[in-house]
This record gives sequence, structure tokens and C-alpha cells, in this order.
Amino acid sequence: DQQVKQNSPSLSVQEGRISILNCDYTNSMFDYFLWYKKYPAEGPTFLISISSIKDKNEDGRFTVFLNKSAKHLSLHIVPSQPGDSAVYFCAAKGGSQGNLIFGKGTKLSVKP
Amino acid sequence: EAGVTQSPTHLIKTRGQQATLRCSPISGHTSVYWYQQALGLGLQFLLWYDEGEERNRGNFPPRFSGRQFPNYSSELNVNALELEDSALYLCASSLSWVQGWGNQPQHFGDGTRLSIL
Repeated sequence: DQQVKQNSPSLSVQEGRISILNCDYTNSMFDYFLWYKKYPAEGPTFLISISSIKDKNEDGRFTVFLNKSAKHLSLHIVPSQPGDSAVYFCAAKGGSQGNLIFGKGTKLSVKP
Repeated sequence: EAGVTQSPTHLIKTRGQQATLRCSPISGHTSVYWYQQALGLGLQFLLWYDEGEERNRGNFPPRFSGRQFPNYSSELNVNALELEDSALYLCASSLSWVQGWGNQPQHFGDGTRLSIL
């Protein structure tokens, strides 16, 4: 049973445009959500997070939106840059569980 | 500030052998997490240590075990290696959840690539 789902395996966007990556979850006990970026042969790099008491968090070009009623979160990257090309993972954590539950990732390609 | 460091970078073993993977957390972090990234399966949670104790483990057999040392570094041991254990093993660290830091991001090392022949 996959509790965190990223239904788009890949996304291609033109440089300068907005990239929107989506993530759905099933467990209503999740209270903390994170996005990570991963380049080949490197570990995931933390990008941005959001607590379940908020519906938006912004950090520079990255904004995460949380819709609790729909159990959906999204990552917006504006403007997209070629260096943003990587695999993006959505992750969630709930209650006293310290570990993260990850989606399978979305590969973002930003074309110059 | 040094990030999470893992060793070795690559490890080649044969079926039935034992493997030991090591992780040093970011200075000040006492929570250490281990994840497995097998081909096509995403990141799967293995083990969580905080303040020297195992706090939670994922759905993996008992031949996956580990420990956390007084300096908060950690070891992951995999006994009786099987072909399907071939994967990237990632270690992450964070501020202590047990000490009341609450929700904090986990920061990852670059992993150990374990190959079973």
C-alpha cells in the first residue's frame, strides 16, 4: 500500500516557465511534508517543507502548497532553470514516527 | 559544516556474506535514519536511531540490523546477503526528535552502493 504517490514519473518544462510537481497521500496522520531533489550519484537534498497546520510555504523560487482536504501537495518552481533538472521526491511523516515515507519520484527536465 | 558522511562509497559482496555500512551524522544531530533505494522501488525506510537507541524499524527482515554509537555515528549490518539486497543505502540525520525538536528535515549522505554478486 503506497501511502505517498507521485503519479507523474517525468515532467518536461521550458526554462523560465513554472514547474509544478504533484504528490498525493492517503494517511491522514501525516503532519509534516517535505520535498527533496536528487541528482544521479548523490544523496537527496532537502528543498522545502510544510507543516500540516499551514497551507503554503515559500522559499525563494520554491513554493509548496498543501491541500489537506484533498490530501494533496504540490511544489512550484518559478522560474525553472536547467540546473533544476533532477528527480524530485515528495516525503511525509506522521505523529511519533521519525521516519519519512517517500513517493517514487518525478524526473524533471528543464529545457534551455 | 560537514554534511552526513557515509563509507564505503561502493561495496561488492557475494551471496551469504555480511556487509557493514557506516554513517557519521551532521555535528549536533543525534537522530540517524537508514533507507534503502533499490531499483524501481523508491526510498524504503530501514531503521531509526535516536540518542543511542533503536526507535523504529521498517518492514525488513531481522538480518538487517544496526547500532548507534555514543558519538551518534551509526552502523548498518546486513547478514546472509541476498541478490535482492543490491541497492543504494542512504543514511540521513536530523536534530533529535526525542529531545523535543519535533518536525525537522532529514539531511542525507551520498549513500553506499552495495552490489551482491
